[in-house]
Amino acid sequence: QKEVEQDPGPLSVPEGAIVSLNCTYSNSAFQYFMWYRQYSRKGPELLMYTYSSGNKEDGRFTAQVDKSSKYISLFIRDSQPSDSATYLCAMSGEHSGYALNFGKGTSLLVTP
Amino acid sequence: NAGVTQTPKFQVLKTGQSMTLQCAQDMNHNSMYWYRQDPGMGLRLIYYSASEGTTDKGEVPNGYNVSRLNKREFSLRLESAAPSQTSVYFCASKITSLANTIYFGEGSWLTVV
Repeated sequence: QKEVEQDPGPLSVPEGAIVSLNCTYSNSAFQYFMWYRQYSRKGPELLMYTYSSGNKEDGRFTAQVDKSSKYISLFIRDSQPSDSATYLCAMSGEHSGYALNFGKGTSLLVTP
Repeated sequence: NAGVTQTPKFQVLKTGQSMTLQCAQDMNHNSMYWYRQDPGMGLRLIYYSASEGTTDKGEVPNGYNVSRLNKREFSLRLESAAPSQTSVYFCASKITSLANTIYFGEGSWLTVV
């Protein structure tokens, strides 16, 4: 079983919708949780970063971490066509030398 | 402000040929990484170098070798390419191995026929 699970989608939503992206993980030793956005034929870029449990908000984006359930989420409010991309969750911890473990990525399409 | 630069961007190889993917970063980062990305598999770590002078295997190292040439450069070599190595390869760097923000290059598209 892969340590980080993420539904690959694709997920298609109309412009303006609230998008919910999720990952689950199996190793409770993960401490740092990240979301990366990857546009087609580009490298991933960091979108959000949280430590341990809780919420973090940045503009239209909110990241949530629930360590008790081993579940992380990314919410996108007022989604825009420019949000169309693949979203990858990633996590790291001392147990793995802080190497990043990535989910497979969820493909999101926001239609005008 | 180049960040992480990879070359070549596209390459077609014949089975059994060898080639080296080059990576350089200009951010004075200590740690560098090579990932491959395949449809349905996500990003998988091939090799990494936590600091200059050290290299370690990641999740999928078979068929690859690496060289940390200096602090800036980290190359990935395919000694005898196989069709299973057809993939998109990403080089990445972090300021230290303990940091959580990793910066990726633009990717190298490799096809082995």
